Amino acid sequence: QAQLQQTGPGLLKPAQTLSLTCAISGDSVSTNSAAWNWIRQSPSRGLEWLGSTKYRSKWINDYAPSLKGRISINADASKNQFSLHLSSVTPEDTAIYYCARAAWYFDLWGRGTLVSVST
Amino acid sequence: EIVLTQSPGTLSLSPGERATLSCRASHNFVNNFFAWYQQKPGRAPRLLIYGTSTRAPGIPDRFSGSRSGPDFTLTISRLEPEDFAVYFCQQYDSSPLTFGGGTKVEI
Repeated sequence: QAQLQQTGPGLLKPAQTLSLTCAISGDSVSTNSAAWNWIRQSPSRGLEWLGSTKYRSKWINDYAPSLKGRISINADASKNQFSLHLSSVTPEDTAIYYCARAAWYFDLWGRGTLVSVST
Repeated sequence: EIVLTQSPGTLSLSPGERATLSCRASHNFVNNFFAWYQQKPGRAPRLLIYGTSTRAPGIPDRFSGSRSGPDFTLTISRLEPEDFAVYFCQQYDSSPLTFGGGTKVEI
């Protein structure tokens, strides 16, 4: 039974960089049959897909256009995990952040991390 | 970007009743790359339906999905107490992947 374990700080100040990590058990970040995603949820924005990384002979990233320039998602095959980095955060980035596996649809989710951005 | 509009926002029903949830896509895409999720308070969403009408493993057959053009429907044939939750639709036809705003099914 595959599982995703999220770690990372829950409180940030404006202009800082949000960094979260998702450790994978029971599957491989290097699999060629899935993509590894970050999704966030807030009352104002609902569920919002942020981006993904997948390995297809090389690493391929895809990001939401609204976040391009601020977001990066990286995989670490040696640790079987992937990470989200979101720079220059503002209070609008306050949300629950989820990591998720997608063959195409999201069939496995992490438990979520509440990230608050506040002075 | 494909925008998904869910209706109604809230559905007030009783156990045993039939629930019909709708999701309209802004573009009528060809593939049936469409999913439904259930979310309960404090939990991550759970996959119910993928490929428009295929139930995910372990999902009871009272849940079904269908499509007519850009309109997608999730039907719960007879509501059980554990079905009262928020339901989201999602398209994976094109990037960026997008979700609907959700329908809350309440007692």
